[in-house]
Amino acid sequence: DGGITQSPKYLFRKEGQNVTLSCEQNLNHDAMYWYRQDPGQGLRLIYYSQIVNDFQKGDIAEGYSVSREKKESFPLTVTSAQKNPTAFYLCASQDRSQPQHFGDGTRLSIL
Amino acid sequence: QKEVEQDPGPLSVPEGAIVSLNCTYSNSAFQYFMWYRQYSRKGPELLMYTYSSGNKEDGRFTAQVDKSSKYISLFIRDSQPSDSATYLCATYTGGFKTIFGAGTRLFVKA
Repeated sequence: DGGITQSPKYLFRKEGQNVTLSCEQNLNHDAMYWYRQDPGQGLRLIYYSQIVNDFQKGDIAEGYSVSREKKESFPLTVTSAQKNPTAFYLCASQDRSQPQHFGDGTRLSIL
Repeated sequence: QKEVEQDPGPLSVPEGAIVSLNCTYSNSAFQYFMWYRQYSRKGPELLMYTYSSGNKEDGRFTAQVDKSSKYISLFIRDSQPSDSATYLCATYTGGFKTIFGAGTRLFVKA
């Protein structure tokens, strides 16, 4: 079954800690994306990658980092520099000229 | 001004009602238009996808695009409690950057 898998579903971060959110897709899509969703604010783009070993900052990249070493994987690290990390994080992938498809998200909270 | 404007609601309707959800956009270069449905604690799922102007129907759902007025609509006929969700409109030019509306929360009461 093709799709996008995000893990874990829930994640808790302590002060000063970096945490990494996993995103894996088996759709053979070139492009992958990370969004942050806060209540009433829609989706805000954090980072995106169009090909392996290349990625670009989105609108709210500060305090986040990514890597794209494999086509199917696009992990997001929320660093200690992100002072307000509590949110719902969504990963998406896309084939050119087709709509984006989403995973089921990771909810990150502060301990 | 946001590139895509969407009323966040909430919109509450009785079961069986016709629901109309709407968005406006500012960039005439947008060619592709989508509606996503998002249930609580889940990721958005693609509901409707249209190219350029016109109507597209899928079961109880109809998507409508009016490029002359830069207006996107989603109509839900015979609404059901299972339709209760947040609906996001989205658009893009054909490349890799998609612009999303803020989402409208819909409640269908039994």
